[in-house]
Amino acid sequence: SAVISQKPSRDICQRGTSLTIQCQVDSQVTMMFWYRQQPGQSLTLIATANQGSEATYESGFVIDKFPISRPNLTFSTLTVSNMSPEDSSIYLCSVERTHGDTQYFGPGTRLTVL
Amino acid sequence: EDKVVQSPLSLVVHEGDTVTLNCSYEVTNFRSLLWYKQEKKAPTFLFMLTSSGIEKKSGRLSSILDKKELFSILNITATQTGDSAVYLCAVYSGAGSYQLTFGKGTKLSVIP
Repeated sequence: SAVISQKPSRDICQRGTSLTIQCQVDSQVTMMFWYRQQPGQSLTLIATANQGSEATYESGFVIDKFPISRPNLTFSTLTVSNMSPEDSSIYLCSVERTHGDTQYFGPGTRLTVL
Repeated sequence: EDKVVQSPLSLVVHEGDTVTLNCSYEVTNFRSLLWYKQEKKAPTFLFMLTSSGIEKKSGRLSSILDKKELFSILNITATQTGDSAVYLCAVYSGAGSYQLTFGKGTKLSVIP
């Protein structure tokens, strides 16, 4: 498995502002992913973050709204830009050591937008 | 479009009961099926199943996959209040770049 930390664990933000969420892993991993879980819903993949290349976004998610950085093999950030109340969700990062292997999740960031 | 359906959506049982949670899927190029337990925010990995008919066990939890009928079950015996959680089923699928597709989960409540 992997030890994954996320910061912040929760935040309350004002409409129109941006929040950057950090994800740190205790060892080098190939694949890192960012998910969103809206209230009462399951997990939806936002994007795949590969080191040294642009993130790959899923349908319905765009780089301008959710810019992602992956500067090395143990760290990634997700920014939620120009927030609205509809962005209130739990945001989770996950990692895979090899593609198609088990994904392990970080503790999540609970975001509330007023 | 890949689809993962879990049933029931919620379940209330008494301590000591045995429960069976269901997961069916329709996906392109199935690779594996995973079960997670989500108590607060973070899903915790339980099992990964790739072969039909082989049961995976961990204590009171067990799971089996039927690739012919496209479903999996998660069994919990002698339930305890600490088993109360949302149980998520996810399937790795896709041609080329594999992706995890999650079901909506089964919310299990175990009452004393």
